[in-house]
Amino acid sequence: DIVMTQTPLSLSVTPGQPASISCKSTQSLLHSNGKTYLYWYLQKPGQPPQLLIFEVSNRFSGVPDRFSGSGSGTDFTLKISRVEAEDVGVYYCLQSLQLPITFGQGTRLEIK
Amino acid sequence: EVQLVESGGGLIQPGGSLRLSCAASGFTVSSKYMSWVRQAPGKGLEWVSVIYTAGTTYYADSVKGRFTISRDSSKNTVYLQMNSLRAEDTAVYYCGRGTSEATAPDYWGQGTLVTVSS
Repeated sequence: DIVMTQTPLSLSVTPGQPASISCKSTQSLLHSNGKTYLYWYLQKPGQPPQLLIFEVSNRFSGVPDRFSGSGSGTDFTLKISRVEAEDVGVYYCLQSLQLPITFGQGTRLEIK
Repeated sequence: EVQLVESGGGLIQPGGSLRLSCAASGFTVSSKYMSWVRQAPGKGLEWVSVIYTAGTTYYADSVKGRFTISRDSSKNTVYLQMNSLRAEDTAVYYCGRGTSEATAPDYWGQGTLVTVSS
């Protein structure tokens, strides 16, 4: 199985400041078709997860442009340029290159 | 508008069975990879099962041989039949829609809680 490791596991950020979450996989997520199957989700308190970023760097419909994803191979990063109060929750990375699809442990973001 | 509505959760004794349903609207379930993902209380997300557009099914090792995923195109619904339930199966079960070639969900239902306890 591909193991996904996120750092840090928790983050406390002042509104308006940037935040960054790292996700590393135990093997490359690059498929032979040229796509990299790395996704980012946010789970707000009491809600199901919501997709933020697909295939490393593509924002999903309706996701604010303060969210951005980058990386390649085994190292990936989610950045929030200016954190807002509504961004609180747990962020997960996910790989779907191969089954079983696997999630990172989650990074809890709180507002200072 | 894409919507997924899960139902069928509840309290069940160890060894019992339960069938979860995921009713979809806004798209056809047979045209997408459809997954079940669960979340134990206070824990992270764990993928459980997927059914591909061709009908092929896959399972996490933790549920293989006990859970069965299926779909009914006439009802536009995906199911998860859960047998031989264990305490460690206690979780909120989410239904997720993938694409036509990737398992990662883009839309999720609100989830249904399954509690396995005597």
